[in-house]
Amino acid sequence: DQQVKQNSPSLSVQEGRISILNCDYTNSMFDYFLWYKKYPAEGPTFLISISSIKDKNEDGRFTVFLNKSAKHLSLHIVPSQPGDSAVYFCAASAVTGNQFYFGTGTSLTVIP
Amino acid sequence: DAGVIQSPRHEVTEMGQEVTLRCKPISGHDYLFWYRQTMMRGLELLIYFNNNVPIDDSGMPEDRFSAKMPNASFSTLKIQPSEPRDSAVYFCASSPGTREETQYFGPGTRLLVL
Repeated sequence: DQQVKQNSPSLSVQEGRISILNCDYTNSMFDYFLWYKKYPAEGPTFLISISSIKDKNEDGRFTVFLNKSAKHLSLHIVPSQPGDSAVYFCAASAVTGNQFYFGTGTSLTVIP
Repeated sequence: DAGVIQSPRHEVTEMGQEVTLRCKPISGHDYLFWYRQTMMRGLELLIYFNNNVPIDDSGMPEDRFSAKMPNASFSTLKIQPSEPRDSAVYFCASSPGTREETQYFGPGTRLLVL
């Protein structure tokens, strides 16, 4: 009963191209979403967030898109760099609590 | 600031043994979270504290798991007795306040129960 799903366990992209990571959620009460990035042997670090009052949020090379009707969000990385190779976790939270529900992660490999 | 500190970084134990994981949150952070990472379920929230008080422990898998936060600078997650299916990476995270404020994760404890 995973409330946040990342259906692609892995993704490979050429350096300079766009990386698109996808995330789906089931709980319509979720209204705040995050992406975290995780390198091996380290804890996840915050990357970018979006509130449900927006459908897009941009921070440098990273853009998160939210489609509330489809309960879908995506993370775009343009251009992709080798240093972006990591596991990316999507997370969602409802206004009723402080806890976040995380997906299973997508491992991104950017090929030089 | 040193960030969130977890110890040990690696733990190998035998089934039936007690395991204690430790966490020191970032000073001044009011919230502390314990997560477990597995391939199948990703990052699962086990329990979180606000001002040292447990708020939601619905993610704690069984009575074998317990967590405490005796003061603002220290928390423990205990598994007694441990089982092979408890093998995972356990993360501690802290945050200053509301959910819009970033959670800062420690490096994790990789637990292997034989």
